[in-house]
Amino acid sequence: AQSVSQHNHHVILSEAASLELGCNYSYGGTVNLFWYVQYPGQHLQLLLKYFSGDPLVKGIKGFEAEFIKSKFSFNLRKPSVQWSDTAEYFCAVNSGKLIFGAGTRLAVHP
Amino acid sequence: NAGVTQTPKFRILKIGQSMTLQCAQDMNHNYMYWYRQDPGMGLKLIYYSVGAGITDKGEVPNGYNVSRSTTEDFPLRLELAAPSQTSVYFCASNPWGGASYNEQFFGPGTRLTVL
Repeated sequence: AQSVSQHNHHVILSEAASLELGCNYSYGGTVNLFWYVQYPGQHLQLLLKYFSGDPLVKGIKGFEAEFIKSKFSFNLRKPSVQWSDTAEYFCAVNSGKLIFGAGTRLAVHP
Repeated sequence: NAGVTQTPKFRILKIGQSMTLQCAQDMNHNYMYWYRQDPGMGLKLIYYSVGAGITDKGEVPNGYNVSRSTTEDFPLRLELAAPSQTSVYFCASNPWGGASYNEQFFGPGTRLTVL
């Protein structure tokens, strides 16, 4: 069965620190990859997506992700986090159905 | 556009009660989905629909039913509520499903507690 693994369940950072959230998936065929964010009390919103082309994709609010096909990975990065980035982040893979990872809760302290 | 709307936002049920979670979208999307979100478990697909009159089971359909009589509405029915159904429920839609690069648009969620 297809699955998505997010390595960190909780991450705590100080403002201006760099962020990298890991995401690995298990599916050998063509996939479309997504990162969603859920701010406290809000619904899921799309951060960025990859479906083809440049494996380094840029999303909203300074986030980017790199698709490495050989590693089945789609890690999310941001060079300098802000307090307003405190949220839960979900990696998702669409190979027919959208499969979500368990999520990573990020807390950014001022 | 209002996007995807859900009602109610919160609900407390007693074991054995029934209720319907409402979901509507005004984007004329063909595909609609119901997910449940449990802490530390991500989102699990309950049911989905590829268009009016067509529904199919997702990963965790037991204890739920759906219908899709119109493009806009996709209600989720709990017939005999159980504590295991305590969760946050999200409805989502997108114009094309399948192995699509289209994002899904999510509603604000319904927080359900079964006591």
